[in-house]
Amino acid sequence: GESVGLHLPTLSVQEGDNSIINCAYSNSASDYFIWYKQESGKGPQFIIDIRSNMDKRQGQRVTVLLNKTVKHLSLQIAATQPGDSAVYFCAELQGGGADGLTFGKGTHLIIQP
Amino acid sequence: GAGVSQSPSNKVTEKGKDVELRCDPISGHTALYWYRQRLGQGLEFLIYFQGNSAPDKSGLPSDRFSAERTGESVSTLTIQRTQQEDSAVYLCASSLRGVGTGELFFGEGSRLTVL
Repeated sequence: GESVGLHLPTLSVQEGDNSIINCAYSNSASDYFIWYKQESGKGPQFIIDIRSNMDKRQGQRVTVLLNKTVKHLSLQIAATQPGDSAVYFCAELQGGGADGLTFGKGTHLIIQP
Repeated sequence: GAGVSQSPSNKVTEKGKDVELRCDPISGHTALYWYRQRLGQGLEFLIYFQGNSAPDKSGLPSDRFSAERTGESVSTLTIQRTQQEDSAVYLCASSLRGVGTGELFFGEGSRLTVL
């Protein structure tokens, strides 16, 4: 089974509001997590990453939170803009090796005007 | 260009035909990955090349799939005797040193449609 999953397949928010996209993982040995954004017809684009020795990491308008106790990862996007509309994937690295990078199915973020 | 380049961007083929998909990674990136993305789905790992090491082929779904990489440059993914279930977007990514050491840079993918 897939170890990385998302709570909601689609998330609709008003432009200017904050968005929170959630991700659950099941492998407590995972030590590296990444969020990717994929716009229609394009390849995934790196947003932000976090290692398991951190709880929070901030980027430009984005924050990733990691709760290792409940194995939960979230991506917060502040003041969402139309350009934020995309599918967001979380991915985890379950220890070394390329095939350890497991992607979830994605959450489609829709920005309402 | 500065990014990962893939060709063709779109390929329509008949069932049973062979196809070749090409990936030009970012210059200097030692790691190269192929993923498959079916419609509305996440990314499915296929194969990984790291420098001159033997590739990690653990994600290839069948022996109809193969991939090669010339040194630390171009890679080709070959699908023989294509089946309709092979229809998907095939994404290539490269990384400076490998997963866990930095981000993967993805190309825009090759969309394969098998009729």
